[in-house]
Amino acid sequence: DAGITQSPRYKITETGRQVTLMCHQTWSHSYMFWYRQDLGHGLRLIYYSAAADITDKGEVPDGYVVSRSKTENFPLTLESATRSQTSVYFCATRLAPRNNEQFFGPGTRLTVL
Amino acid sequence: KQEVTQIPAALSVPEGENLVLNCSFTDSAIYNLQWFRQDPGKGLTSLLLIQSSQREQTSGRLNASLDKSSGRSTLYIAASQPGDSATYLCAVSPTIKFYFGSGTKLNVKP
Repeated sequence: DAGITQSPRYKITETGRQVTLMCHQTWSHSYMFWYRQDLGHGLRLIYYSAAADITDKGEVPDGYVVSRSKTENFPLTLESATRSQTSVYFCATRLAPRNNEQFFGPGTRLTVL
Repeated sequence: KQEVTQIPAALSVPEGENLVLNCSFTDSAIYNLQWFRQDPGKGLTSLLLIQSSQREQTSGRLNASLDKSSGRSTLYIAASQPGDSATYLCAVSPTIKFYFGSGTKLNVKP
């Protein structure tokens, strides 16, 4: 029972490059989320998705793109990476919008040089 | 916008002590509140989920309470152990999304 997997777990890239972070779930939860976690800012929501082909912006969406063609996958793309996007990125899922827990993946540590 | 505050930011206690972590939120219109644990370099592990209609939830040595009207929740840890050392985060959910506090970093000394 893998739950939520994220890949890669660690990534180093250069400013201006495109980077895609992958998130895969085995539960078929409807809702999926992308957060970034930074010292001094806590967890901030980037994008979320209510179902395949339905996505919406969170608190800090600029510079990021998401897609969700299949229920189980929710990739996050940094179109042109900047140093300010150096962070730890967490994917999370939730079965339904109310009265259900949110579950988190192990995270991807991204460094932009 | 929902604001979630956790006090204290850090706490150090000797092993065996009972302790309380605090979480406050500004908008009482929530569906539920969830407590998480995060170990260094790891993801978030769900500890307890309290529905808006509930006053408390218990799991082992953990007990979480919720007072929606005052915008407060507490996480009580009984007989703390060094293995409890981690950062504890609370999050409230008024809709689909969760809003997180910045966490309380707990250190339990042997």
